Amino acid sequence: GAGVSQSPSNKVTEKGKDVELRCDPISGHTALYWYRQRLGQGLEFLIYFQGNSAPDKSGLPSDRFSAERTGESVSTLTIQRTQQEDSAVYLCASIKLIDTEAFFGQGTRLTVV
Amino acid sequence: AQTVTQSQPEMSVQEAETVTLSCTYDTSENNYYLFWYKQPPSRQMILVIRQEAYKQQNATENRFSVNFQKAAKSFSLKISDSQLGDTAMYFCAFMKHNAGNNRKLIWGLGTSLAVNP
Repeated sequence: GAGVSQSPSNKVTEKGKDVELRCDPISGHTALYWYRQRLGQGLEFLIYFQGNSAPDKSGLPSDRFSAERTGESVSTLTIQRTQQEDSAVYLCASIKLIDTEAFFGQGTRLTVV
Repeated sequence: AQTVTQSQPEMSVQEAETVTLSCTYDTSENNYYLFWYKQPPSRQMILVIRQEAYKQQNATENRFSVNFQKAAKSFSLKISDSQLGDTAMYFCAFMKHNAGNNRKLIWGLGTSLAVNP
Protein backbone atom coordinates (compact mmCIF):
# COMPACT_ATOMS: atom_id res chain seq x y z
CA GLY A 1 0.00 0.00 0.00
CA ALA A 2 0.92 3.67 -0.14
CA GLY A 3 1.26 4.17 3.59
CA VAL A 4 2.00 2.37 6.83
CA SER A 5 -0.87 0.09 7.76
CA GLN A 6 -1.63 -1.15 11.27
CA SER A 7 -4.16 -3.68 12.43
CA PRO A 8 -6.37 -3.95 14.30
CA SER A 9 -7.37 -0.33 14.63
CA ASN A 10 -8.86 -0.99 18.04
CA LYS A 11 -8.51 -3.95 20.38
CA VAL A 12 -10.24 -4.61 23.66
CA THR A 13 -8.87 -7.51 25.64
CA GLU A 14 -9.24 -9.00 29.06
CA LYS A 15 -6.46 -8.71 31.57
CA GLY A 16 -4.14 -11.69 31.33
CA LYS A 17 -4.79 -12.42 27.65
CA ASP A 18 -2.12 -12.19 24.94
CA VAL A 19 -2.47 -9.74 22.05
CA GLU A 20 -0.71 -9.39 18.73
CA LEU A 21 -0.47 -6.08 16.89
CA ARG A 22 0.52 -5.90 13.24
CA CYS A 23 2.37 -3.30 11.18
CA ASP A 24 2.84 -3.22 7.41
CA PRO A 25 5.51 -0.62 6.61
CA ILE A 26 5.91 1.26 3.37
CA SER A 27 7.53 -0.99 0.78
CA GLY A 28 11.27 -0.43 0.63
CA HIS A 29 11.56 1.19 4.05
CA THR A 30 14.33 -0.66 5.82
CA ALA A 31 13.84 0.80 9.29
CA LEU A 32 10.75 0.14 11.40
CA TYR A 33 9.91 1.51 14.85
CA TRP A 34 7.27 0.78 17.45
CA TYR A 35 6.18 3.52 19.86
CA ARG A 36 3.66 3.55 22.68
CA GLN A 37 1.45 6.57 23.35
CA ARG A 38 -0.32 6.64 26.68
CA LEU A 39 -3.17 9.04 27.24
CA GLY A 40 -1.86 12.53 27.89
CA GLN A 41 1.74 11.54 27.33
CA GLY A 42 4.24 11.73 24.54
CA LEU A 43 5.41 8.79 22.52
CA GLU A 44 7.71 6.25 24.12
CA PHE A 45 10.16 4.34 21.94
CA LEU A 46 9.77 0.57 22.23
CA ILE A 47 11.90 -1.15 19.58
CA TYR A 48 13.74 -0.52 16.31
CA PHE A 49 14.18 -2.95 13.41
CA GLN A 50 16.75 -2.68 10.65
CA GLY A 51 15.60 -5.30 8.20
CA ASN A 52 14.62 -8.26 10.34
CA SER A 53 17.12 -7.64 13.12
CA ALA A 54 16.41 -5.53 16.18
CA PRO A 55 19.54 -3.62 17.18
CA ASP A 56 17.67 -1.58 19.78
CA LYS A 57 15.10 -3.17 22.06
CA SER A 58 15.83 -0.82 24.93
CA GLY A 59 12.32 0.57 25.14
CA LEU A 60 10.46 -2.68 25.69
CA PRO A 61 8.99 -2.22 29.18
CA SER A 62 9.08 -5.85 30.30
CA ASP A 63 9.67 -9.39 29.11
CA ARG A 64 5.94 -9.62 28.38
CA PHE A 65 6.64 -7.49 25.30
CA SER A 66 8.27 -8.95 22.19
CA ALA A 67 8.40 -8.13 18.50
CA GLU A 68 9.39 -9.75 15.26
CA ARG A 69 9.85 -8.59 11.70
CA THR A 70 9.87 -10.64 8.51
CA GLY A 71 12.63 -9.34 6.28
CA GLU A 72 11.86 -5.73 5.43
CA SER A 73 8.15 -6.38 5.64
CA VAL A 74 5.53 -7.00 8.28
CA SER A 75 6.24 -6.62 11.98
CA THR A 76 4.22 -7.95 14.89
CA LEU A 77 4.31 -6.67 18.45
CA THR A 78 3.14 -9.23 20.98
CA ILE A 79 2.09 -8.45 24.53
CA GLN A 80 1.67 -11.47 26.76
CA ARG A 81 -0.46 -11.58 29.90
CA THR A 82 -1.77 -8.07 29.32
CA GLN A 83 -2.13 -5.68 32.23
CA GLN A 84 -4.27 -2.57 32.55
CA GLU A 85 -1.20 -0.36 32.34
CA ASP A 86 -0.62 -1.72 28.83
CA SER A 87 -3.66 0.25 27.65
CA ALA A 88 -2.37 2.77 25.11
CA VAL A 89 -2.13 3.54 21.42
CA TYR A 90 0.67 1.58 19.77
CA LEU A 91 2.13 3.37 16.78
CA CYS A 92 4.36 1.95 14.09
CA ALA A 93 6.61 4.03 11.85
CA SER A 94 8.91 3.26 8.95
CA ILE A 95 11.80 5.23 7.50
CA LYS A 96 13.57 4.67 4.20
CA LEU A 97 17.33 4.38 4.01
CA ILE A 98 19.20 7.70 4.18
CA ASP A 99 16.21 9.74 5.28
CA THR A 100 14.88 11.13 8.52
CA GLU A 101 11.16 11.39 7.91
CA ALA A 102 9.21 8.79 9.83
CA PHE A 103 5.94 7.69 8.25
CA PHE A 104 3.38 6.54 10.78
CA GLY A 105 0.43 4.22 10.75
CA GLN A 106 -2.82 5.19 12.44
CA GLY A 107 -2.00 3.07 15.42
CA THR A 108 -3.76 0.37 17.39
CA ARG A 109 -5.70 1.52 20.42
CA LEU A 110 -5.37 -1.25 23.00
CA THR A 111 -7.74 -1.32 25.95
CA VAL A 112 -7.18 -3.89 28.68
CA VAL A 113 -10.25 -4.45 30.87
CA ALA B 1 20.21 11.42 27.50
CA GLN B 2 18.12 13.72 25.39
CA THR B 3 14.91 15.32 26.63
CA VAL B 4 12.28 17.39 24.87
CA THR B 5 10.01 19.80 26.73
CA GLN B 6 6.82 21.39 25.50
CA SER B 7 5.59 23.78 28.18
CA GLN B 8 2.19 24.58 26.67
CA PRO B 9 -0.27 21.69 27.11
CA GLU B 10 -3.07 23.59 25.34
CA MET B 11 -3.33 26.61 23.10
CA SER B 12 -6.02 28.24 21.01
CA VAL B 13 -5.98 30.71 18.17
CA GLN B 14 -8.55 32.43 16.00
CA GLU B 15 -8.77 31.42 12.39
CA ALA B 16 -6.41 33.45 10.16
CA GLU B 17 -4.24 34.54 13.08
CA THR B 18 -0.71 33.48 13.97
CA VAL B 19 0.28 31.19 16.80
CA THR B 20 3.64 30.05 18.14
CA LEU B 21 4.23 26.73 19.89
CA SER B 22 7.27 26.37 22.14
CA CYS B 23 9.77 23.55 22.43
CA THR B 24 13.04 23.28 24.30
CA TYR B 25 15.39 20.34 24.39
CA ASP B 26 18.47 19.15 26.17
CA THR B 27 21.33 17.34 24.51
CA SER B 28 25.10 17.13 24.51
CA GLU B 29 25.09 16.29 20.81
CA ASN B 30 26.30 18.86 18.28
CA ASN B 31 24.58 17.46 15.22
CA TYR B 32 20.96 16.39 15.32
CA TYR B 33 17.56 16.87 13.76
CA LEU B 34 14.47 18.50 15.20
CA PHE B 35 10.93 17.90 14.04
CA TRP B 36 7.39 19.09 14.51
CA TYR B 37 4.76 16.42 13.94
CA LYS B 38 1.01 16.96 13.86
CA GLN B 39 -1.47 14.38 15.18
CA PRO B 40 -5.12 15.08 14.30
CA PRO B 41 -7.97 13.11 15.90
CA SER B 42 -7.46 10.40 13.28
CA ARG B 43 -4.21 9.56 15.18
CA GLN B 44 -2.16 9.71 11.97
CA MET B 45 1.13 11.37 12.89
CA ILE B 46 2.23 13.65 10.06
CA LEU B 47 5.53 15.49 9.65
CA VAL B 48 5.03 19.26 9.58
CA ILE B 49 8.59 20.52 9.39
CA ARG B 50 12.15 19.47 10.19
CA GLN B 51 15.39 21.28 10.94
CA GLU B 52 18.96 20.07 10.71
CA ALA B 53 20.98 21.48 13.59
CA TYR B 54 24.01 22.30 11.48
CA LYS B 55 21.92 24.55 9.24
CA GLN B 56 21.60 28.07 10.58
CA GLN B 57 18.71 29.00 8.33
CA ASN B 58 15.30 28.39 9.84
CA ALA B 59 13.17 25.85 7.99
CA THR B 60 9.90 26.94 6.40
CA GLU B 61 7.07 24.98 4.82
CA ASN B 62 4.33 27.20 3.46
CA ARG B 63 2.45 28.59 6.50
CA PHE B 64 4.74 26.78 8.94
CA SER B 65 8.12 28.09 10.05
CA VAL B 66 10.47 27.49 12.92
CA ASN B 67 12.64 29.67 15.10
CA PHE B 68 15.68 27.53 15.83
CA GLN B 69 17.97 28.90 18.53
CA LYS B 70 20.75 26.34 18.90
CA ALA B 71 22.57 27.99 21.78
CA ALA B 72 19.36 28.32 23.74
CA LYS B 73 18.23 24.82 22.67
CA SER B 74 14.91 26.22 21.57
CA PHE B 75 12.82 25.17 18.58
CA SER B 76 9.48 26.96 18.29
CA LEU B 77 6.87 26.47 15.58
CA LYS B 78 5.01 29.40 14.07
CA ILE B 79 1.77 28.78 12.24
CA SER B 80 0.64 31.71 10.13
CA ASP B 81 -2.88 32.27 8.79
CA SER B 82 -4.23 29.48 11.02
CA GLN B 83 -6.86 27.24 9.45
CA LEU B 84 -9.49 25.04 11.07
CA GLY B 85 -7.67 22.01 9.73
CA ASP B 86 -4.65 22.93 11.84
CA THR B 87 -6.54 21.81 14.93
CA ALA B 88 -4.49 18.90 16.28
CA MET B 89 -1.88 17.80 18.79
CA TYR B 90 1.57 19.07 17.88
CA PHE B 91 4.65 17.18 18.99
CA CYS B 92 8.23 18.36 19.02
CA ALA B 93 10.79 15.58 18.52
CA PHE B 94 14.58 15.08 18.51
CA MET B 95 16.73 12.67 16.52
CA LYS B 96 20.48 12.12 16.85
CA HIS B 97 22.45 12.69 13.67
CA ASN B 98 25.29 10.24 14.20
CA ALA B 99 23.14 7.35 15.30
CA GLY B 100 24.12 4.87 12.64
CA ASN B 101 20.91 3.54 11.23
CA ASN B 102 18.97 4.00 14.46
CA ARG B 103 16.83 7.05 13.88
CA LYS B 104 14.55 6.77 16.87
CA LEU B 105 12.73 9.90 17.93
CA ILE B 106 12.62 11.42 21.40
CA TRP B 107 9.32 13.20 21.95
CA GLY B 108 7.82 16.03 23.92
CA LEU B 109 4.44 15.64 25.59
CA GLY B 110 2.66 17.64 22.93
CA THR B 111 0.60 20.81 22.67
CA SER B 112 -3.10 20.61 21.87
CA LEU B 113 -3.94 23.40 19.44
CA ALA B 114 -7.50 24.50 18.78
CA VAL B 115 -8.21 26.84 15.89
CA ASN B 116 -11.47 28.66 16.48
CA PRO B 117 -13.73 30.01 13.72
